[in-house]
Amino acid sequence: AQTVTQSQPEMSVQEAETVTLSCTYDTSESDYYLFWYKQPPSRQMILVIRQEAYKQQNATENRFSVNFQKAAKSFSLKISDSQLGDAAMYFCAYVNAGGTSYGKLTFGQGTILTVHP
Amino acid sequence: EPEVTQTPSHQVTQMGQEVILRCVPISNHLYFYWYRQILGQKVEFLVSFYNNEISEKSEIFDDQFSVERPDGSNFTLKIRSTKLEDSAMYFCASRTTGVQKLFFGSGTQLSVL
Repeated sequence: AQTVTQSQPEMSVQEAETVTLSCTYDTSESDYYLFWYKQPPSRQMILVIRQEAYKQQNATENRFSVNFQKAAKSFSLKISDSQLGDAAMYFCAYVNAGGTSYGKLTFGQGTILTVHP
Repeated sequence: EPEVTQTPSHQVTQMGQEVILRCVPISNHLYFYWYRQILGQKVEFLVSFYNNEISEKSEIFDDQFSVERPDGSNFTLKIRSTKLEDSAMYFCASRTTGVQKLFFGSGTQLSVL
């Protein structure tokens, strides 16, 4: 079974600074997807960024980028120019690619990000 | 952007009562899911549903739980006899074929008293 570990229960950052959230995972599969989800106090699950395991290039979405290290099974999220609206719980998630098993996400425990003005 | 809609947003029930949580997935989606999140904990997979049948379920999804797609638009999760430990946020999600992106609803907070 796959596991996802987020070792940082809480992180904080000053507004406009950069912060990196860590995630490691364990799988015997070679084809999979990794995600970062943001969960604000409303508890809505918002997809921040997605990485396909077969792609060597790290995904980026505006101020959000990842550092995907497949051999190390590491998938960190970097938030640049942090904004007050970035404050939320962030979940790392894994899913096997393809077939009907896609959609069975395995989530990490989450990291609470606080942004200080 | 199209949305997954969940109703109600909050549900309070007495222990032992049946509850039905409702979801309207995005119209052209074919795969449907339920997840739950106990307060302060991680999000957990409950069940996936495709072609009018369960394709996968977790250990949490025991005989007290059932899912149904009663018509062409709704997808429901029924808990037959609620327990205190069923109190959680329940998320519905859906996706279409070939698109590796899951769309989540805004959740139903279930409180069992």
